[in-house]
Amino acid sequence: DADVTQTPRNRITKTGKRIMLECSQTKGHDRMYWYRQDPGLGLQLIYYSFDVKDINKGEISDGYSVSRQAQAKFSLSLESAIPNQTALYFCATSDTSGSTDTQYFGPGTRLTVL
Amino acid sequence: RKEVEQDPGPFNVPEGATVAFNCTYSNSASQSFFWYRQDCRKEPKLLMSVYSSGNEDGRFTAQLNRASQYISLLIRDSKLSDSATYLCAVPALKAAGNKLTFGGGTRVLVKP
Repeated sequence: DADVTQTPRNRITKTGKRIMLECSQTKGHDRMYWYRQDPGLGLQLIYYSFDVKDINKGEISDGYSVSRQAQAKFSLSLESAIPNQTALYFCATSDTSGSTDTQYFGPGTRLTVL
Repeated sequence: RKEVEQDPGPFNVPEGATVAFNCTYSNSASQSFFWYRQDCRKEPKLLMSVYSSGNEDGRFTAQLNRASQYISLLIRDSKLSDSATYLCAVPALKAAGNKLTFGGGTRVLVKP
């Protein structure tokens, strides 16, 4: 089984709809991240969470919200989706116990907003 | 200047050849650097971490040049399966904890 899972894997929705993307991990990591990737561009950080009670905005948080329901779960919501939120969304996790900053990514959710 | 910059490519490489490309970064205090490989429409996967002057793993070598603030990735004896986008990641300038800033990626196409 994959260590970091995302649901749904693909979603097509209409402008103005509320969308929730979910991420779960079995790695036991305390830190979780949400990124978006646009074609030909790098990963942009939306939100990150260092533990259940710690939520932080990333570079591009406007139009998004998150919830850390448990150490293993981190969901991303688009309250009112707009077409320029069409992108590939990745969840990632990292661990504070080691010296590395290595992040491990989920398989991604491809979101299309019409 | 962007925090992390990469030549987007594509680098067209004959099979068996060597290819190298760089990633420049702004945060002179960075102590760790990462190369991720991303296949089309898939998640990035860690290829290599760099904590000192460099790292080598089989056909892949990463080298760090702190004076000029760049890291390079060299692929020897390129295989068709090396075709991918290679993302560079560096701790963010205002980082607390494990935040990384990613470059836009360098696309490599290995051809027969």
